[in-house]
Amino acid sequence: EAQVTQNPRYLITVTGKKLTVTCSQNMNHEYMSWYRQDPGLGLRQIYYSMNVEVTDKGDVPEGYKVSRKEKRNFPLILESPSPNQTSLYFCASSRRGVTDTQYFGPGTRLTVL
Amino acid sequence: AQTVTQSQPEMSVQEAETVTLSCTYDTSESDYYLFWYKQPPSRQMILVIRQEAYKQQNATENRFSVNFQKAAKSFSLKISDSQLGDAAMYFCAGKYIFGTGTRLKVLA
Repeated sequence: EAQVTQNPRYLITVTGKKLTVTCSQNMNHEYMSWYRQDPGLGLRQIYYSMNVEVTDKGDVPEGYKVSRKEKRNFPLILESPSPNQTSLYFCASSRRGVTDTQYFGPGTRLTVL
Repeated sequence: AQTVTQSQPEMSVQEAETVTLSCTYDTSESDYYLFWYKQPPSRQMILVIRQEAYKQQNATENRFSVNFQKAAKSFSLKISDSQLGDAAMYFCAGKYIFGTGTRLKVLA
């Protein structure tokens, strides 16, 4: 089954404790992206990747890191999480880019205390 | 740069009736794509419909259709014969920009 998986689905952590949210797709998509969803703000893009070893900042990259060492994986790293990073996070992938349909993961609900 | 605006935070529709969700956008690109995504209570984001700007014909997927007015930069979503399962947040989206969403309630 074609899908985008994220782990964990729910995470409660404390300020400053490094964490990684994993994202994996099995569709051989070139483009992957991370979004955060906050009430009243819709989805905002954090980082995206056009292909392996090619990543770039989206609208709200501060406080986040990503890497793309393999085509299928695109982890989101919070080196020192803060309460303002409490949000719902989505990973998405598409065949070539944002003009293609994006397939979304199930979301990760992160709470930073 | 693109902008996407959804001005209706919430809409309601009776089951089996038709409802239209509004979206306006702005872009400097001549060739672009627009999308409607649905987010049910499960929080999963699901593509509803996709429109390519260079195509004159409005996209249609079963009960879902768009009214794409390029000159007016309007991209509304029409849901016909509304069903209880249509209740969700609906997001209009451009390249990587999403609107703030419209919550659709379907009344039995």
